[in-house]
Amino acid sequence: DIQMTQSPSSVSASVGDRVTITCRASQGISSWLAWYQQKPGKAPKLLIFAASSLQSGVPSRFSGSGSGTDFALTITSLQPEDFATYYCQQASTYPITFGQGTRLEIK
Amino acid sequence: EVNLLQSGGDLVQPGEFLRLSCAASGITFSNYDMSWVRQAPGKGLQWVSSISAIGDLTYYADSVRGRFTISRDNSKNTLYLQMSSLRGEDTAVYYCVKYDFLTGRRFDYWGQGVLVTVSS
Repeated sequence: DIQMTQSPSSVSASVGDRVTITCRASQGISSWLAWYQQKPGKAPKLLIFAASSLQSGVPSRFSGSGSGTDFALTITSLQPEDFATYYCQQASTYPITFGQGTRLEIK
Repeated sequence: EVNLLQSGGDLVQPGEFLRLSCAASGITFSNYDMSWVRQAPGKGLQWVSSISAIGDLTYYADSVRGRFTISRDNSKNTLYLQMSSLRGEDTAVYYCVKYDFLTGRRFDYWGQGVLVTVSS
């Protein structure tokens, strides 16, 4: 199975800050990586797919980069509604696997 | 508007059986792969199973293979997850998810989630 490792596990930031979350795959996954945002008690929401494609309706302050084994999600100019948990997920091969999550908290 | 309406979550005892359903609307259901993803209380996301658009291919996580069965009825726009020999570690919120394999391999729409609790 492909292991997905996110870092950091949690991060504190302020409104207006720029934050980067990284995700490393245990083997190459080309660009088959997605990012999701989840708020407490809610279903996850797709932000980025195919490593860098912005899902329709998602603000442009969210961006994704990377290929192969190393990926990043960057949020520029944090807004209050961005404080949530973020997950990466590989879709290169079954079993589909998720990272352990990164909790983004208000400083 | 895409809507995935889930039902079937319940409290069951270890070893029992449960079936989850997911009724889709706002999409041509038979065009898309579908999946189940679960989340144990306070934990991260775990993929459970996927099924191809016409139902001829199925995939399972090792932890559920042989106990869970994914299926679909395209005439009813409904996805199912039959769960047997349930264990405490199956306790989780289960999400029905549309899996757009052809356009980016993305989980682009999620159901509201249903809670399955396995406890004596």
